Amino acid sequence: GNSVTQMEGPVTLSEEAFLTINCTYTATGYPSLFWYVQYPGEGLQLLLKATKADDKGSNKGFEATYRKETTSFHLEKGSVQVSDSAVYFCALKGRNNNDMRFGAGTRLTVKP
Amino acid sequence: SAVISQKPSRDICQRGTSLTIQCQVDSQVTMMFWYRQQPGQSLTLIATANQGSEATYESGFVIDKFPISRPNLTFSTLTVSNMSPEDSSIYLCSVDRAADTQYFGPGTRLTVL
Repeated sequence: GNSVTQMEGPVTLSEEAFLTINCTYTATGYPSLFWYVQYPGEGLQLLLKATKADDKGSNKGFEATYRKETTSFHLEKGSVQVSDSAVYFCALKGRNNNDMRFGAGTRLTVKP
Repeated sequence: SAVISQKPSRDICQRGTSLTIQCQVDSQVTMMFWYRQQPGQSLTLIATANQGSEATYESGFVIDKFPISRPNLTFSTLTVSNMSPEDSSIYLCSVDRAADTQYFGPGTRLTVL
């Protein structure tokens, strides 16, 4: 079945550091890929998405590129801020069903 | 996107009791989803709720424990029955929107003593 493997955390960075959170997937067909963010005490918010190979999703300085050849969707940001401290979830959704699979989540802490 | 609200936002309940969580969406949707997020864990799908039919439960979840109602296209409820401390989790509802994207409610944080 479909699955998502996400880099384990926690990740601690200084402000303005470069961020990468790795995400790889296993799926039949061509799923849509997502990154969600969960700030402390809140629900999940969609951060970005990509629906086909080579698409790049971007939002709030975060980017991720749908790499079919490596089955990856790594999240990157060039310069993190304290306000980016949150838990980040990689997710996929199969093309022909409503089955959404989430990674384990990566907790990011950004220190001033 | 979608505006999704949940009630209650949090609750502390006694073992053996039941809690009903409400999910309201700002527009009509065909499918609504209920997830559980145990402490420090990822999300696990409990069931999919379609209006006018019984909910479809994932492996490991049963209707007697998590009855779901879907009376119309903008509302659903999830009941956590006969609670135990292991049911302490965040419960989230979500809906599908354009381009196969799911949007989530703010969650209900449940603590069972």
